[in-house]
Amino acid sequence: AQSVTQLGSHVSVSEGALVLLRCNYSSSVPPYLFWYVQYPNQGLQLLLKYTTGATLVKGINGFEAEFKKSETSFHLTKPSAHMSDAAEYFCAVSPSGTYKYIFGTGTRLKVLA
Amino acid sequence: EAGVAQSPRYKIIEKRQSVAFWCNPISGHATLYWYQQILGQGPKLLIQFQNNGVVDDSQLPKDRFSAERLKGVDSTLKIQPAKLEDSAVYLCASSFSGDPKNIQYFGAGTRLSVL
Repeated sequence: AQSVTQLGSHVSVSEGALVLLRCNYSSSVPPYLFWYVQYPNQGLQLLLKYTTGATLVKGINGFEAEFKKSETSFHLTKPSAHMSDAAEYFCAVSPSGTYKYIFGTGTRLKVLA
Repeated sequence: EAGVAQSPRYKIIEKRQSVAFWCNPISGHATLYWYQQILGQGPKLLIQFQNNGVVDDSQLPKDRFSAERLKGVDSTLKIQPAKLEDSAVYLCASSFSGDPKNIQYFGAGTRLSVL
């Protein structure tokens, strides 16, 4: 069965520091990959997605992610954290040939002043 | 454009009671999803509609959960009777079509507490 693993349920970074949130998936065939952000008491908002083509994907708010097939990873990065980045981040996959999204358990990002 | 609307935002009930949630998707979106998000977990798909037909309800506990999208627009999700483990946020999402490349837009959710 397809699965998504997000390493670290909580990550803390200082304001201005690099943000790195990890996501690994299990699939023999590259799926579609997504990162969503959820602010308190709000729904999920798409940050970026990978379907085909360029493996480095740029999203909103300065975030980007790189699809690495050999590592079955899709880690999310941002060069410089801002206080407004504090939220929960979910990695999701849509296995090839299906219409389903499978979400990871989420990583809560805390940004320290 | 208006986003996905859900109501109520919060609901507190006792176990064995019934409850219903409502969702109005983005205009023109054919596909509607209901997810259950238990605290500390990612959203789990309960049911997916394409227009007014069910595409996937494999993870819907059909003995107590039901959902409908009669006119292919808004949708209701019902739980009857509720159990303690149903405490969660119920998220509705919509997309232009069921193609996973299409973005899913999420509502703010309904937070259900079952006492």
